[in-house]
Amino acid sequence: DIQMTQSPSSLSASVGDRVTITCRASQSISSYLNWFQQKPGKAPDLLIYAASSLQSGVPSRFSGSGSGTDFALTISSLQPEDFATYYCQQTYSTLWTFGQGTKVEIK
Amino acid sequence: QVQLVQSGAEVKKPGASVKVSCKASGYIFTSYGISWVRQAPGQGLEWMGWISAYNGNTNYAQKLQGRVTMTTDTSTSTAYMELRSLRSDDTAVYYCARDEYYWGQGTLVTVSS
Repeated sequence: DIQMTQSPSSLSASVGDRVTITCRASQSISSYLNWFQQKPGKAPDLLIYAASSLQSGVPSRFSGSGSGTDFALTISSLQPEDFATYYCQQTYSTLWTFGQGTKVEIK
Repeated sequence: QVQLVQSGAEVKKPGASVKVSCKASGYIFTSYGISWVRQAPGQGLEWMGWISAYNGNTNYAQKLQGRVTMTTDTSTSTAYMELRSLRSDDTAVYYCARDEYYWGQGTLVTVSS
């Protein structure tokens, strides 16, 4: 199985801060990497697909980068509605795997 | 538009079975597979397996082998996930997903005596 290591597991930040979350795959997954946002009691929402493509309707302050084994999700200016948990996901293999999640909290 | 609508919440006793449904609409059902993902309370996302809606081929997570069965009914565009010999640590929200873009709303399965 492809292991996905996401960091940090949690972070505290203020509105307006720039935030970066990283995800490392245990083997090369090309650009088969997605980022999700999840709020309590809701299904995950796709933010970024194919490592760097912004899903329709997602604000442009979200961006993704990377390929191979190392990836990052950046929020350029954190907004109140961005406080949530974020997950990376690889779809290189039909056996999907997810990062452990990053909880973004208000400082 | 693509929609995946799941069945309602379930409460089961340890040792019982549960069968969750996922009704698809807005696309050609047999052109895609369906994955199942679960999330225990306060925990992350765990992939459970995948089924081809075209030919019924399946691929299950090793830890669930022998307890999980995924099926489809192409006449109703519905996918099913059955989990047997339920334990308390199977308590979770269960999601179906066509791909990374389209997910069901989730079904809470509670296992409690």
